Parts: sequence; C-alpha cells; structure tokens
Amino acid sequence: GAVVSQHPSRVICKSGTSVKIECRSLDFQATTMFWYRQFPKQSLMLMATSNEGSKATYEQGVEKDKFLINHASLTLSTLTVTSAHPEDSSFYICSAVTGNYGYTFGSGTRLTVV
Amino acid sequence: DAKTTQPTSMDCAEGRAANLPCNHSTISGNEYVYWYRQIHSQGPQYIIHGLKNNETNEMASLIITEDRKSSTLILPHATLRDTAVYYCIVSDGGSQGNLIFGKGTKLSVKP
Repeated sequence: GAVVSQHPSRVICKSGTSVKIECRSLDFQATTMFWYRQFPKQSLMLMATSNEGSKATYEQGVEKDKFLINHASLTLSTLTVTSAHPEDSSFYICSAVTGNYGYTFGSGTRLTVV
Repeated sequence: DAKTTQPTSMDCAEGRAANLPCNHSTISGNEYVYWYRQIHSQGPQYIIHGLKNNETNEMASLIITEDRKSSTLILPHATLRDTAVYYCIVSDGGSQGNLIFGKGTKLSVKP
C-alpha cells in the first residue's frame, strides 16, 4: 500500500532557530499533501494544503511566514518552522492523497522548542 | 468544523465486537465516510471508507445507514492493540477534500 515517510520523528531545537520536517511519498506520486498539528490531548488541526509546483494554501490563523511549506516535487513536501518558540512545540503530521479517494499519513514529528 | 459526532469514549472486552457509532446528518451526496484511528504519538492509520454501500476489509466493517446520516464501524474481535482514538470523517476525497478531524472516540479494550 501507499507509504508516507516523515522525518525526523523527534526534534528538539532552541528557541529562535528553524526546523525543517520532511514528508515523502515512497511508492506513489503525491500531487497534494496536507500538514496537521496536534497539541496534547487534542485532535489534529489542519494547518495547510500543499500542492506540487504551487503555493500552499493555509488555514485561517496559521502564519504562512512562520510555517514555510515547499512542495517542489511529486514525492516531497517540507514544512519549516521558522524562528521557533516554545508555543510551537507540538506533534506535526503530514498526509498525502492516494488513489481511490484515500489519504495516507506520516508517522508524525514531535517538536520540542526549548 | 468537523461534520461528525461521536461518543467521547467507549469500552470493549477483549475478543468481543466493538461497535463505534458516528452521526453525520449533514453529509453531502458526494462525500465519503472515512474511519481512521490513532494510537498514542503515532500518525493516523487508515481503517476503511465508503460512500453508500457497506464495506468490509481485513480490519473492520463499515455499516452506513440508507439515508447516510449515520454509520457504525465494527471491529469484529477487538484486541488490546485496538485501543486507540477512532475518528469518523466525511470528505469528498481527492486534492480538494482534506480531512477535518473531530474529537473522535477513545476506545479502550479491556482484558
């Protein structure tokens, strides 16, 4: 089946630095990918929709200059958290649209900003 | 906002069937019903999805009412590893139909 690989699984960074998270579709081409954020004991919240070769579409309240999304190829989307602060600490998850109206999720990235 | 309503939590005895209900009274004609589950600190795992007809795969069965306003996910023989949060989501699928997650049902399978 379709597999989405997300790296890193865990990252700790200092406040003010930037962190890049990668999301790769391993055995299929993903024209569209989605990025979610999940705080403890809460559900997943959609941050943005990433389309290959075009600008990402951000959900209301998500700062596009802080959460940079690049989808330069059909198998890779990246999310960069710029100038990270402790309140950005969260679980970040990507997903990709597969065939047959399906969605496959990555394993998630636990970001801790200290 | 999520377009589905699910109970906050449910318990199930190991080896018994787990029946998880979901209400989606405002579902549109072109929207599918998706079920995913999330085990702690992992990405959501696909279980099953359907449009109108009941569906079955190796993991579960999906029963959709004739008016499509509600559905039930059935895990026929629950195991301890099925303990997770189960999300019922409606979406028209594809690049324009992202998945909006509600709060889901926390299923606890007990020995």
